[in-house]
Amino acid sequence: AQSVAQPEDQVNVAEGNPLTVKCTYSVSGNPYLFWYVQYPNRGLQFLLKYITGDNLVKGSYGFEAEFNKSQTSFHLKKPSALVSDSALYFCAVRDRDTGFQKLVFGTGTRLLVSP
Amino acid sequence: DVKVTQSSRYLVKRTGEKVFLECVQDMDHENMFWYRQDPGLGLRLIYFSYDVKMKEKGDIPEGYSVSREKKERFSLILESASTNQTSMYLCASSFRGFSNQPQHFGDGTRLSIL
Repeated sequence: AQSVAQPEDQVNVAEGNPLTVKCTYSVSGNPYLFWYVQYPNRGLQFLLKYITGDNLVKGSYGFEAEFNKSQTSFHLKKPSALVSDSALYFCAVRDRDTGFQKLVFGTGTRLLVSP
Repeated sequence: DVKVTQSSRYLVKRTGEKVFLECVQDMDHENMFWYRQDPGLGLRLIYFSYDVKMKEKGDIPEGYSVSREKKERFSLILESASTNQTSMYLCASSFRGFSNQPQHFGDGTRLSIL
């Protein structure tokens, strides 16, 4: 069965500092991995995805994520945080080899960027 | 850009009522999904559909049903609403053929059952 863990309920960072939001996953086959962001009273917006190839994936709004197969992790990063990055972030995984279309989401990490 | 539209942003209903949540997408996506979002639990899949008139149970289908009569529209039905169904409901859609494609979400319906 697929699963995703986001070990931190909240991450606090000062504006201008680098940020990391952690995600680890478990699938029986090879993963497709996704990050989404949710602003207050809105749906989820797609940020980036890992399919195959380069382990460093670049996405929207200056975010990137690093796929690490040995550690089964897909941490979201940004070199310099903005106050406007404050939101709820979700990691999600899909098992590439089973062919199912279903995504499994983590419980979410709230990012708070202080001025 | 993909547009997924949920008919109501906020909805208040009473216990025992039959409740309909509507979702429409404009990108000819085969797959459509209904999730509920609760604090600390993330998103949980209620039902999904990969074609017209097709449906599959997700992780928490009890108390819900769905209808997909047209490709662009996917309805979630609460047969007899209960207070534990108070939640944020999110609809999503995606292409069927490529499982590496992201799902696209609507803005959600915040449903309160009194």
